[in-house]
Amino acid sequence: AQSVSQHNHHVILSEAASLELGCNYSYGGTVNLFWYVQYPGQHLQLLLKYFSGDPLVKGIKGFEAEFIKSKFSFNLRKPSVQWSDTAEYFCAAPARQLTFGSGTQLTVLP
Amino acid sequence: EADIYQTPRYLVIGTGKKITLECSQTMGHDKMYWYQQDPGMELHLIHYSYGVNSTEKGDLSSESTVSRIRTEHFPLTLESARPSHTSQYLCASSYRVSPLHFGNGTRLTVT
Repeated sequence: AQSVSQHNHHVILSEAASLELGCNYSYGGTVNLFWYVQYPGQHLQLLLKYFSGDPLVKGIKGFEAEFIKSKFSFNLRKPSVQWSDTAEYFCAAPARQLTFGSGTQLTVLP
Repeated sequence: EADIYQTPRYLVIGTGKKITLECSQTMGHDKMYWYQQDPGMELHLIHYSYGVNSTEKGDLSSESTVSRIRTEHFPLTLESARPSHTSQYLCASSYRVSPLHFGNGTRLTVT
């Protein structure tokens, strides 16, 4: 069965620090990959998505992610985080069946 | 442990039928959500509720309706199903600012 793993459960950074959140998937078919963000008290929002083509995907709010097929990874990055980036981040690989990672809580200290 | 249940898991139904997708959670969460997801595509928020008797439409226009008469229950109804409604429907809940907990989804096929 396909699965999505997020190894960082809680990440704490200071403002202006660089961010990288890990996501690994196990799925042998066509891979569509997504990162979602959930700000406190709000619903999920799509940060970025990868369907095909350039493995480096740029999303909203300065986020980007790189699809590395050989490593089955789709890590989320941001060069300089802000306090407003404090949220829960979910990696997802919805193919035939929705599969979410367990989420990473990011806390950015002002 | 999160407890959010969706029924049925799979549903195949003919055009024009009225259907209700059930979603219940036993965690006392105040917020509940319905998302629609086509295979391989991203989630789209179609309805949400921040408490009893409070419902709002989401980002994606939907012909479905919801109700929130009880905290634990957030059913979604389609009065007249059409093939364009074929999709996966995911229910989720959260408490205040906590992360979402998802149900296993209902895969709906309208023939």
